[in-house]
Amino acid sequence: DIVLTQSPALAVSLEQRATISCKTSQNVDNYGISYMHWYQQKPGQQPKLLIYEGSNLASGIPARFSGSGSGTDFTLTIDPVEADDIATYYCQQSKDYPYTFGAGTKLELK
Amino acid sequence: QVQLKESGPGLVQPSETLSLTCTVSGFSLTSYSVSWVRQPSGKGPEWMGRMWYDGDTAYNSALKSRLSISRDTSKNQVFLKMNSLQTDDTGTYYCTRDFSGMGVAPYYFDYWGQGVMVTVSS
Repeated sequence: DIVLTQSPALAVSLEQRATISCKTSQNVDNYGISYMHWYQQKPGQQPKLLIYEGSNLASGIPARFSGSGSGTDFTLTIDPVEADDIATYYCQQSKDYPYTFGAGTKLELK
Repeated sequence: QVQLKESGPGLVQPSETLSLTCTVSGFSLTSYSVSWVRQPSGKGPEWMGRMWYDGDTAYNSALKSRLSISRDTSKNQVFLKMNSLQTDDTGTYYCTRDFSGMGVAPYYFDYWGQGVMVTVSS
């Protein structure tokens, strides 16, 4: 299985930039497309798609969210952070079965 | 609009079988695939398996011996059955719509149901 590694938590101040990383145990790119996706989850709610294919913004997601990276190293950036962004963020790969998720990075206020 | 809703028992006895239903609206099960994803409390999600739009299935190898996914397209429903439940199967179970912008891989989960909490306990 492809293992996705995320830092457990990140403390950030409002209106600052948050950078959340995800490292994979294997390359999750194929023919120039990243099979990496990002989700936001608030307490008591289902996960919500933020970024697909590494860098594409999902429908209705504010432009302060962006995704980058390739191969085995990926980043979700929130700039600037707003109060509504306090949540847990998960990366997920769909390159190989079984699809796997990271353990999540909890974004906290400094 | 696209909606998915999970239903099923909230409490299951150890060693028993879990049966869940995902009822979808706003899209056709013959055009989109549906996955089941579960999440223990405080942990990351785990992909369990998928019902492809053409009726084929794919399973997480870790669960394959216990898991079965089926569907009834006339009722817009996808079913999950998992046997031999243990306490570490406790968590929230979601169904998701699987989407690919190009019609082939990569797939991602663009819509999620609200989830159903399942507790395995005697």
